[in-house]
Amino acid sequence: GAVVSQHPSWVICKSGTSVKIECRSLDFQATTMFWYRQFPKQSLMLMATSNEGSKATYEQGVEKDKFLINHASLTLSTLTVTSAHPEDSSFYICSARMEREYYEQYFGPGTRLTVT
Amino acid sequence: GQNIDQPTEMTATEGAIVQINCTYQTSGFNGLFWYQQHAGEAPTFLSYNVLDGLEEKGRFSSFLSRSKGYSYLLLKELQMKDSASYLCAALDSNYQLIWGAGTKLIIKP
Repeated sequence: GAVVSQHPSWVICKSGTSVKIECRSLDFQATTMFWYRQFPKQSLMLMATSNEGSKATYEQGVEKDKFLINHASLTLSTLTVTSAHPEDSSFYICSARMEREYYEQYFGPGTRLTVT
Repeated sequence: GQNIDQPTEMTATEGAIVQINCTYQTSGFNGLFWYQQHAGEAPTFLSYNVLDGLEEKGRFSSFLSRSKGYSYLLLKELQMKDSASYLCAALDSNYQLIWGAGTKLIIKP
């Protein structure tokens, strides 16, 4: 149990376009979802925390108008990278947390974004 | 501030034992996680410690000392497939994970 999926697993887009990444909890309800970014040879960097039905909380330095997060249901959160630039190329990972399990996050397989 | 320290890289021999250390300073503490991450993949859960002591799970064990802000991951009978990055992460008072930079473990035959 506790499976999280991400779609797409990899995407290549042109500079200036927008890309949407989906994160789904397949067999549980995720009251909280997290979005991370990871550059090569670096650790995970938390971008934002989203709770179902409310606005996401962004970490310092993360542009909320560029990285749009929507957590419309208890099983789906989306991250849209708007007006993508080559420096946005990275590995984006989501994780999900159940309502009563504050200590554990279940990770999706990640999405590799390449902006050309 | 919040900080997690772990070695950048370690090398060990197949069949041997290796210990990866992690020290942490966080605003509040609700436990410590170890994750394994292979290149190009998401982290996979290895262990969670919230009480002092050693937790053993097959070839992997994890230790925690809350008073010292210290944890280690012990890997026994190393196999080539254990070559990966090992991430230490502490759960702070807001139940957010504070991540270390990861330790790249290289296993040699």
